[in-house]
Amino acid sequence: AQSVTQLDSQVPVFEEAPVELRCNYSSSVSVYLFWYVQYPNQGLQLLLKYLSGSTLVESINGFEAEFNKSQTSFHLRKPSVHISDTAEYFCAVISVRDYKLSFGAGTTVTVRA
Amino acid sequence: DAGVTQSPTHLIKTRGQQVTLRCSPKSGHDTVSWYQQALGQGPQFIFQYYEEEERQRGNFPDRFSGHQFPNYSSELNVNALLLGDSALYLCASSLSLGYTEAFFGQGTRLTVV
Repeated sequence: AQSVTQLDSQVPVFEEAPVELRCNYSSSVSVYLFWYVQYPNQGLQLLLKYLSGSTLVESINGFEAEFNKSQTSFHLRKPSVHISDTAEYFCAVISVRDYKLSFGAGTTVTVRA
Repeated sequence: DAGVTQSPTHLIKTRGQQVTLRCSPKSGHDTVSWYQQALGQGPQFIFQYYEEEERQRGNFPDRFSGHQFPNYSSELNVNALLLGDSALYLCASSLSLGYTEAFFGQGTRLTVV
């Protein structure tokens, strides 16, 4: 079975400052990696994913994540955040064995002016 | 495209009662998965349906059951409700079994009193 650990439960950050959300995973087989975002009272939206190829993946709204196989990490970064980035962020993995999504506990990002 | 739709959006039930939640997948998707998201936690996989059969199941008791219809829509049933069943129930659909990208609905907020 696979597991996901998000190392920060809450991250307060000022507008236009950088942010990094840390995610580590554990799995005995190869995995695919995802970041989902959940705005208040809404479902989950896919932010970005790593399936194969370049270890650095980017989203259309300025987020990026880097897959590090040796450290089993998939940290999410944004160089300059906006108030609208306030949300809950979930790291998730799918193993190639069963294709079930396993989520971390989430990181709450609060952006202040 | 309406995306994944869930009904109802909110529900209040009494301990011991039974509840049915409904999900219509995104157009063209034939695989539906259900997740339970307790307050302050990441979503937990309940089960997955494909071709009207339960294909995979997470660590949930038999009180949780489901169904998939020929039009790919799905129901989640929970019997003998407990206070601990209070959560946001999320439905996700994907293009087919083994596809990595899942699209989530807005969820059904179930409160058991």
